[in-house]
Amino acid sequence: GAVVSQHPSRVICKSGTSVKIECRSLDFQATTMFWYRQFPKQSLMLMATSNEGSKATYEQGVEKDKFLINHASLTLSTLTVTSAHPEDSSFYICSAGRPQHFGDGTRLSIL
Amino acid sequence: DQQVKQNSPSLSVQEGRISILNCDYTNSMFDYFLWYKKYPAEGPTFLISISSIKDKNEDGRFTVFLNKSAKHLSLHIVPSQPGDSAVYFCAASADMEYGNKLVFGAGTILRVKS
Repeated sequence: GAVVSQHPSRVICKSGTSVKIECRSLDFQATTMFWYRQFPKQSLMLMATSNEGSKATYEQGVEKDKFLINHASLTLSTLTVTSAHPEDSSFYICSAGRPQHFGDGTRLSIL
Repeated sequence: DQQVKQNSPSLSVQEGRISILNCDYTNSMFDYFLWYKKYPAEGPTFLISISSIKDKNEDGRFTVFLNKSAKHLSLHIVPSQPGDSAVYFCAASADMEYGNKLVFGAGTILRVKS
């Protein structure tokens, strides 16, 4: 069964809306979780590393004020896309564990 | 700079035959390698991994081979089944340098024909 759960699976919203995506480790504790983004027909690009109890580490070129990450517990990390615009439309996926197991992803569509 | 490369965008194989997916890497610090399978609109599913201290790891129909001197790894699927049709991603990690962060290849689409 799934060891990493991601919610919601799909979001469609208007430009300017903030969207929160949750990532949970189901049967293990994760001090670190990872957030990826995948554009159509492209590979997974790491956006940031979520660290429980401390600030997330963002990859080069990822706006930390745009993509807010909170890792408040050992089983939950959240990614909030703030003031989303059409160019933020993408497939967002989280992972945790070793080997890394992935959630089923969130398809974000900004109108 | 692509540190992990999957040079074949797609591969087509007959059911029952062997599928061989290839992956090359450039960073000699990578010490842990993984293969994932992905269907559209789903997250990747972990298949098999190998540590740099090994040159082969087997799990059922899946075998991963690692050639450190050539910086090359491959995934063998035998026998291939139609349900294996998916995108396969190779990923690498250098714990000391990246702290379990994975670097992914671009993926190879595998089509298994029945």
